[in-house]
Amino acid sequence: DAGVTQSPTHLIKTRGQQVTLRCSPISGHKSVSWYQQVLGQGPQFIFQYYEKEERGRGNFPDRFSARQFPNYSSELNVNALLLGDSALYLCASSPEGSFSEQFFGPGTRLTVL
Amino acid sequence: AQKITQTQPGMFVQEKEAVTLDCTYDTSDPSYGLFWYKQPSSGEMIFLIYQGSYDQQNATEGRYSLNFQKARKSANLVISASQLGDSAMYFCAMREATSGNTGKLIFGQGTTLQVKP
Repeated sequence: DAGVTQSPTHLIKTRGQQVTLRCSPISGHKSVSWYQQVLGQGPQFIFQYYEKEERGRGNFPDRFSARQFPNYSSELNVNALLLGDSALYLCASSPEGSFSEQFFGPGTRLTVL
Repeated sequence: AQKITQTQPGMFVQEKEAVTLDCTYDTSDPSYGLFWYKQPSSGEMIFLIYQGSYDQQNATEGRYSLNFQKARKSANLVISASQLGDSAMYFCAMREATSGNTGKLIFGQGTTLQVKP
């Protein structure tokens, strides 16, 4: 079975632009979470979606938004990009009702110039 | 307050030897889970091992074992018979039951492991 997939792999934007990152969970997984990992640090939780509803939000500004589609894939949108948004954005999926499993995708590396 | 602490920014180990990566955590939730992930330079987070707070036995997965000391709030990862491919960043993470269904993982700062031939 395919793992979590993310697109694009790399992205370069300039300050003030908007970006959309995409994630497809493992088949059968209904929960998708997004994390931001700044260079040299551990990942920070941004959002979790389950059955198209937001279940959790981390300490990120309103410039960050996300949504989940009926096929459980998800998009993360970031508006008015800042230099500090440069990071690896990781998507993770979990099976329903599982506390012990969260599988990550390869990430999207965003560079803001 | 830091919920996950990894005090070793970098570690070296000789190939075929065992190595322990330290992790301490802080939570008041009686129900929680502890995870270890490996992150190679490619960036992908690879799940290694999981330990639940109520699990009686220490978790093991192949060459990976988790030394869980609940009273000390530590969850150290032990890698036996290190291989060159083990060179990577290792993250300890925690999920608390009080986070409900958010699935939120709290990560430490990571430890870089380098395996010497």
